[in-house]
Amino acid sequence: DAKTTQPTSMDCAEGRAANLPCNHSTISGNEYVYWYRQIHSQGPQYIIHGLKNNETNEMASLIITEDRKSSTLILPHATLRDTAVYYCIVRLLSNDYKLSFGAGTTVTVRA
Amino acid sequence: GAVVSQHPSWVICKSGTSVKIECRSLDFQATTMFWYRQFPKQSLMLMATSNEGSKATYEQGVEKDKFLINHASLTLSTLTVTSAHPEDSSFYICSARVQRGRTYEQYFGPGTRLTVT
Repeated sequence: DAKTTQPTSMDCAEGRAANLPCNHSTISGNEYVYWYRQIHSQGPQYIIHGLKNNETNEMASLIITEDRKSSTLILPHATLRDTAVYYCIVRLLSNDYKLSFGAGTTVTVRA
Repeated sequence: GAVVSQHPSWVICKSGTSVKIECRSLDFQATTMFWYRQFPKQSLMLMATSNEGSKATYEQGVEKDKFLINHASLTLSTLTVTSAHPEDSSFYICSARVQRGRTYEQYFGPGTRLTVT
């Protein structure tokens, strides 16, 4: 599986957009980029995923570069409840795949 | 949809006793469930993969005789920590996999905080 690199931590202001980068330079053609987040003392929560095209849902937007070697998760209007650890994971969609988590980015939204 | 529950949400037990944690998929059937463990300020670590009707597959370094996993039905998997010791104190999280069209997605439970005294 392609490894990912994320900043250890980042702060952002409440109400502003939060842009979370992820590098995955060894990603293969059939691997998807997934984002999960984990709020303190809770289980991980799925946010969004994509293959090539940019994706948007009610939680966030995912921008994947044309060469697919990096991506950015965008939280359009960060709130205090978005404070969490955000995990960028590159994975296959096969039925025997097991999600593995790296260190993630600790995002702190400040008022 | 795709809700996973765990019970209990927290438990305190004495050293040497056994503790059972339940993981249920509430609105879907899961042929495969996963168990993770998370120590403070660390990421999730996969412990084992549980398949309905068959023996669990454990990750390297995880003692299968200490962490007993049973996946008796398509909606229930249990993790029993046997002869628990303080070093087993951790946050245990289960995850259930479901097929969505051509893809397979994992949904996570809220976690169980185990404290061994």
